[in-house]
Amino acid sequence: KAGVTQTPRYLIKTRGQQVTLSCSPISGHRSVSWYQQTPGQGLQFLFEYFSETQRNKGNFPGRFSGRQFSNSRSEMNVSTLELGDSALYLCASSLGDGLKLHEQYFGPGTRLTVT
Amino acid sequence: DAKTTQPNSMESNEEEPVHLPCNHSTISGTDYIHWYRQLPSQGPEYVIHGLTSNVNNRMASLAIAEDRKSSTLILHRATLRDAAVYYCIPPGSSGGGADGLTFGKGTHLIIQP
Repeated sequence: KAGVTQTPRYLIKTRGQQVTLSCSPISGHRSVSWYQQTPGQGLQFLFEYFSETQRNKGNFPGRFSGRQFSNSRSEMNVSTLELGDSALYLCASSLGDGLKLHEQYFGPGTRLTVT
Repeated sequence: DAKTTQPNSMESNEEEPVHLPCNHSTISGTDYIHWYRQLPSQGPEYVIHGLTSNVNNRMASLAIAEDRKSSTLILHRATLRDAAVYYCIPPGSSGGGADGLTFGKGTHLIIQP
């Protein structure tokens, strides 16, 4: 079974621009979560989608948004990029319900650099 | 909020057992205890989870204290590939996708050949 894939793997943007990152979950997984990882703040939860609905959201400004499609693929968007948005963005998928919701499977991440 | 306490770093020799401790004194009710690890330049990887009794899988064992306020992740025979940051996820923040996982600083495990 293929793992979680994220595209692109690396991205360089300029302040003020917007960016869209994509995540394809493991086949059969209906939950997709997004995380931001920086050296200073560590891994922080952004939001989670299940069956095309956002179920929960972390403490990030409204510039960070996401969506999930009917095939469970997910995208996250960051508008009006700031230098502090430079980070590794990780996507994780899980079955999303029942006991197996505890196991999240992470993709390799997208390394975003804002200049 | 539930918190965990882990040593910042630990060092072990290859092919020896490693015991990674975690204190989670605010655990309550039916909170599960989860461990993840992150190898260099990779996303985090699920290791193991448990509720009350000790758990084993192909990667590791999880020993849970009787009062559940602490747990120990056991790597029975560490290899160089086990060098990673190991995260003990605070109970209560590990409700799977719905609530998101809360990662602290973790323990940086160094394996010496």
